[in-house]
Amino acid sequence: KAGVTQTPRYLIKTRGQQVTLSCSPISGHRSVSWYQQTPGQGLQFLFEYFSETQRNKGNFPGRFSGRQFSNSRSEMNVSTLELGDSALYLCASSYGTGGLRNEQFFGPGTRLTVL
Amino acid sequence: DAKTTQPTSMDCAEGRAANLPCNHSTISGNEYVYWYRQIHSQGPQYIIHGLKNNETNEMASLIITEDRKSSTLILPHATLRDTAVYYCIVRVVWDQGGKLIFGQGTELSVKP
Repeated sequence: KAGVTQTPRYLIKTRGQQVTLSCSPISGHRSVSWYQQTPGQGLQFLFEYFSETQRNKGNFPGRFSGRQFSNSRSEMNVSTLELGDSALYLCASSYGTGGLRNEQFFGPGTRLTVL
Repeated sequence: DAKTTQPTSMDCAEGRAANLPCNHSTISGNEYVYWYRQIHSQGPQYIIHGLKNNETNEMASLIITEDRKSSTLILPHATLRDTAVYYCIVRVVWDQGGKLIFGQGTELSVKP
């Protein structure tokens, strides 16, 4: 079974631009979560989508948004990029949302650099 | 904020057991203990979870104290490939959905 895939793997943008990152979950998984990882703040939860609905949201500004499609694929968008948005963005999928057997499987991440 | 406290770093000799402690003194009755690890430049990987009983799977064992205020992840025969950052997380599995709150974790170095 293929794992979680994220595209692109690396991205370079300049301040003020916007960016869209994509995540394809494991086949059959309906929940997708996004995380940001930086050296200073560590791994931080951005949001979770389940059946095309945002179920949970972390403490990030409105510039960070996401969506989920009917095939469970998800995208996240960051508008008006700032230097501090440079990070590894990780996507994780699970079969459902919550529950004991819904361990999350992470993708390899997208490395975003903002210049 | 993370509800767990872990040592910043630990060393372990290859082939020996690695015992990674985690303190979660404010854990509530409906919170589970989860462990994930992150090998350099990869996404985190689920290892094991438990509520109050000791748990074992093909990767590791989880020992939770009777008062549930602390736990230990045991890698019985550490290899160089176990070098990673290990995260101990407590969560209410039914209410918080997929949200995981990561702390700083323990950087485990397995040395030959």
